[in-house]
Amino acid sequence: QQPVQSPQAVILREGEDAVINCSSSKALYSVHWYRQKHGEAPVFLMILLKGGEQKGHEKISASFNEKKQQSSLYLTASQLSYSGTYFCGTGAAGNKLTFGGGTRVLVKP
Amino acid sequence: DAGVIQSPRHEVTEMGQEVTLRCKPISGHNSLFWYRQTMMRGLELLIYFNNNVPIDDSGMPEDRFSAKMPNASFSTLKIQPSEPRDSAVYFCASSRRQSGRDQPQHFGDGTRLSIL
Repeated sequence: QQPVQSPQAVILREGEDAVINCSSSKALYSVHWYRQKHGEAPVFLMILLKGGEQKGHEKISASFNEKKQQSSLYLTASQLSYSGTYFCGTGAAGNKLTFGGGTRVLVKP
Repeated sequence: DAGVIQSPRHEVTEMGQEVTLRCKPISGHNSLFWYRQTMMRGLELLIYFNNNVPIDDSGMPEDRFSAKMPNASFSTLKIQPSEPRDSAVYFCASSRRQSGRDQPQHFGDGTRLSIL
């Protein structure tokens, strides 16, 4: 079953922060985060494998709460280059991912 | 390093024609995934292979779709006959498969398919 992402879209000013949530109705084995710019392929950001684990990529970090079956992606001090659509993918055995519907992020100057 | 290579980048064809999409994974990667992306349905996994063997094809929409991986460096996704509702961007991705540990998936640039 597809994980649910919220919000569906967010508009930020440069330097502002945002949080994107990814929730699953099934127990999570892992969570992947990808960013896709318009007309391009999704690009890998990070994987979270353990409950409570936090990882970072530049000023983008994420947490994984196994108990809540949820992951959150934190965009801190956003830059124009952060604009795009962010997808979470929940992992199962064999590296198979089920992607959420995406969150569109627009960072304005 | 070369990334995942897909061809063609764009394909426009008429309904009923056969369509073949091609993918060359990153050298050394032993998992390969085919995805379809549309506005309505988002990014859907169609099929994936481990070590050239199809593992899960539950996402393949109909018998009109078929995929093969004859060797570690080449895969095809075929649609025959094609229909307008097959119009979408098709992505191929590859990763290393490591037991007990997830690995990132690396996506190709995609094939934008339009069926008229």
